[in-house]
Amino acid sequence: AQSVTQLDSQVPVFEEAPVELRCNYSSSVSVYLFWYVQYPNQGLQLLLKYLSGSTLVKGINGFEAEFNKSQTSFHLRKPSVHISDTAEYFCAVGGGTSYGKLTFGQGTILTVHP
Amino acid sequence: DSGVTQTPKHLITATGQRVTLRCSPRSGDLSVYWYQQSLDQGLQFLIQYYNGEERAKGNILERFSAQQFPDLHSELNLSSLELGDSALYFCASSVVAGSTDTQYFGPGTRLTVL
Repeated sequence: AQSVTQLDSQVPVFEEAPVELRCNYSSSVSVYLFWYVQYPNQGLQLLLKYLSGSTLVKGINGFEAEFNKSQTSFHLRKPSVHISDTAEYFCAVGGGTSYGKLTFGQGTILTVHP
Repeated sequence: DSGVTQTPKHLITATGQRVTLRCSPRSGDLSVYWYQQSLDQGLQFLIQYYNGEERAKGNILERFSAQQFPDLHSELNLSSLELGDSALYFCASSVVAGSTDTQYFGPGTRLTVL
């Protein structure tokens, strides 16, 4: 079985400050890791994904994430946030025998204040 | 715009009723996924179809069923509705069925059961 824990339900931050959204996963098989963003009243949009290779993954909108196998983590970072980054962020895990199924964390609401 | 369309956007119905949610995948995508997003359960995988056949099953209730048609659109049928079925239902699609494939999400159908 696979599971994902997003350690913070809400993260408030000021504009232009750095941010880290934390994600830990649990899996008994090889994993693929994803970060999705959901803007209000919209569907989910892929920010980035880790399949293999370099543990530092760069995504859209200036976001990046680092896969850490020993700590079973996949934290999302951005060096300088904008008001427009205000949204809910979901970490997800796939892989193993679950075909395309994704297991999502509970989400982290990022609020960027001016 | 992800290219995945879902209808209707909103649905309000009464307990005990039956509804059908419709999803059209992106052009060229063979795999369709259904997810349920609720406040208490978060984002949960329901079911996956690939090229007309069921590929993976998640936490889908027996009162719920789905199918994928020859033109690759999919329908999720929810019957004997209960208050707890109120949620946002997302459809996603991907090119193939594997867990490395990016899933593109539609805008969702918000179901309210009164």
